[in-house]
Amino acid sequence: SYVLTQSPSVSVAPGQTARVTCGANNIGSKSVHWYQQKPGQAPVLVVYGDTDRPSGIPERFSGSNSGNTATLIISRVEAGDEADYYCQLWDSGIVVFGGGTKLTVL
Amino acid sequence: QLQLQESGPRLVKPSETLSLTCAVSGGSITNSDYYWGWFRQPPGKGLEFIGIIYFSGSTYYNPSLESRVTMSVDTSKNQFSLSLGSVTAADTAVFYCARVGPFHIGYYYMGVWGKGTTVTVSS
Repeated sequence: SYVLTQSPSVSVAPGQTARVTCGANNIGSKSVHWYQQKPGQAPVLVVYGDTDRPSGIPERFSGSNSGNTATLIISRVEAGDEADYYCQLWDSGIVVFGGGTKLTVL
Repeated sequence: QLQLQESGPRLVKPSETLSLTCAVSGGSITNSDYYWGWFRQPPGKGLEFIGIIYFSGSTYYNPSLESRVTMSVDTSKNQFSLSLGSVTAADTAVFYCARVGPFHIGYYYMGVWGKGTTVTVSS
């Protein structure tokens, strides 16, 4: 089954672009979804189907998925984007999550 | 607007069974395009899949928990439930319910979540 590997932390200055990666063998053949989770809150879906945004999610959030890496891209990062981010896919009857990446806005 | 709300005991003794219910409002649990799922998050750790259930009762469970997990659905009350048996301190976590799908296009993502409920396993 899939094991999704995320870097534990990413730091970025306000206004810059943050890239959060999710690695697995041939992940590009799967649909990957991304969640934002702030302390004490439930996760919020920010990207689904590799590249699509739910209604209400800013256009600054986008995604890509190819080969062995899926990426969540956050443009023009704001202080309010500081959170944990999780990638997720469906594999052989189970929901699989990455270990999460803590995004720190400097 | 679809909403999910978890409920159940906040404290469970070791070796006993943890039982939670998720009430669905603003939509029907019999929507054919979605499963309904349980997830948990131990303190300071990441998200973990427990299982999902369809309104017909069909289930998928996390293999690592399958021997202790039972999920059920009550369409008359528009809710679904989780039972986790033989709990230990390692089962202490925030438990979330969520809607999973839409699977007719091959997507199994969680677009709507409950707020979560903290369950502590302790004597």
